[in-house]
Amino acid sequence: QKEVEQDPGPLSVPEGAIVSLNCTYSNSAFQYFMWYRQYSRKGPELLMYTYSSGNKEDGRFTAQVDKSSKYISLFIRDSQPSDSATYLCAMIGNTGGFKTIFGAGTRLFVKA
Amino acid sequence: DGGITQSPKYLFRKEGQNVTLSCEQNLNHDAMYWYRQDPGQGLRLIYYSQIVNDFQKGDIAEGYSVSREKKESFPLTVTSAQKNPTAFYLCASSIVQRGQGVLTEAFFGQGTRLTVV
Repeated sequence: QKEVEQDPGPLSVPEGAIVSLNCTYSNSAFQYFMWYRQYSRKGPELLMYTYSSGNKEDGRFTAQVDKSSKYISLFIRDSQPSDSATYLCAMIGNTGGFKTIFGAGTRLFVKA
Repeated sequence: DGGITQSPKYLFRKEGQNVTLSCEQNLNHDAMYWYRQDPGQGLRLIYYSQIVNDFQKGDIAEGYSVSREKKESFPLTVTSAQKNPTAFYLCASSIVQRGQGVLTEAFFGQGTRLTVV
């Protein structure tokens, strides 16, 4: 079993839709929960992160962490074609050193 | 501009040949990382270094080698022992993660796409 599971998609939605992206994980030592956005043929960029449990909002993006269920989510409101990218969840914890574990990434297409 | 630079952007390797991917950063970061990205697999850690002249194996180090002679440089060599080297390679750097509550963001380069021909 992978430490972090993420559905690779692709996920296709119409412009203006609410998008929900999710990851599950197995290691309770994870403390930081991150979402990276990666455009085609580019390196990933950090979009948001949450420390421990709870919600965090930044404009159209909301990150949620439920440590009891080992489940994290990224919601995108009023999705735009420019949101089309691969979204990777990532986690860090003291798992024998602070090492980042990435999910497989979900490819998102927002159609105009 | 501060950032992390990978070169070349595209690289072709013949069977049995060693190739070296370059990664340079001017962010004054102590930690540097090499990841491999394959479709449907996310990023997998090859090697990482938290200080000059020291590095550790990641999850898939076999067939790869690195050096860290300077703080700003962390080249990756893909050796002939790596049986399936075709992939997208990403280099990243960060301040060393310590303490609680504040994430030290990793900055990624633009990647090198390696293809075996």
